[in-house]
Amino acid sequence: VQLLESGGNVVQPGESLTLSCVASGFPFSSYAMTWVRQAPGKGLEWVASVSNSGDNIQYSDSARGRFTISRDNSKNTLFLHMTSLRLEDSATFHCAKTMFPYSGAPPTLDSWGQGSLVIVS
Amino acid sequence: IQLTQSPSSLSAFVGDRVTITCRASQSIGISLAWYQQDPGKAPKLLVYSASSVQTGVPSRFSGAGAGTDFTLTISRLQPEDFASYYCQQFHRYPLTFGQGTRLEI
Repeated sequence: VQLLESGGNVVQPGESLTLSCVASGFPFSSYAMTWVRQAPGKGLEWVASVSNSGDNIQYSDSARGRFTISRDNSKNTLFLHMTSLRLEDSATFHCAKTMFPYSGAPPTLDSWGQGSLVIVS
Repeated sequence: IQLTQSPSSLSAFVGDRVTITCRASQSIGISLAWYQQDPGKAPKLLVYSASSVQTGVPSRFSGAGAGTDFTLTISRLQPEDFASYYCQQFHRYPLTFGQGTRLEI
C-alpha cells in the first residue's frame, strides 16, 4: 500500500487549496478513505471520511461547510478541497485507508501517507 | 466522544514495561485503536478493536480494555519504541483521537 499526498502550499487566510492523494497497492475503489491533519507539534485531528463509492461523506465540525472530500476511483485518487482557509488550518494533512473493504462504519486506519503541509499565513 | 490519554509524557529505559491508558467519555465497546508515530512520519496502526495486534507489529505490544477504559502495554521497550502514541475511537463519528503520549528515553 502506498499513499502519496500532494498539493500543500503556503496560502493567505481566506484562500482555497486542493490536496490530492494518489493510492496504489490495493483496490482503491473498495475502501473508504479519510483525511486526518496534525498541526505543528500537536496531535491528530480527524477531518473527513468518504465511503468507497463516494456517496457517504462525514465531516468534522471544523471542516463542514468549508472543506469538500471527494474521490476519483478511475484515477485511484482522493481529494480534499479547502476554502476560506484560516490560520488554525495550518497542518500536515494525511490521507489514510480504512482497514476493511466496503465498510460504512467509522474506520480504523491501517495505512497512512506521509502527509502534505499546508501553511496559512 | 472525548478520549483522555495518560500520561501525556513518559520517560523509561530500554527493557522496561510501560502502560499507556486511554479513557473514553462514554462507552465505546471495543471500538478503539492505537497508533505509533515517529517525529515527521506517518502514524502506524499497532492495535485495533482494543486488543487485536496488527499484522507485523512485534508481540511486545498488547492492548486491553472495553467500555471506557483501555490500555496499551509495551512489555520490553526497544530503542525504536520511543515515539508518540495515540488512541482513536471508531465507535461513532466524529472520529476522535486522544491527545497523545510521548514516550522518551
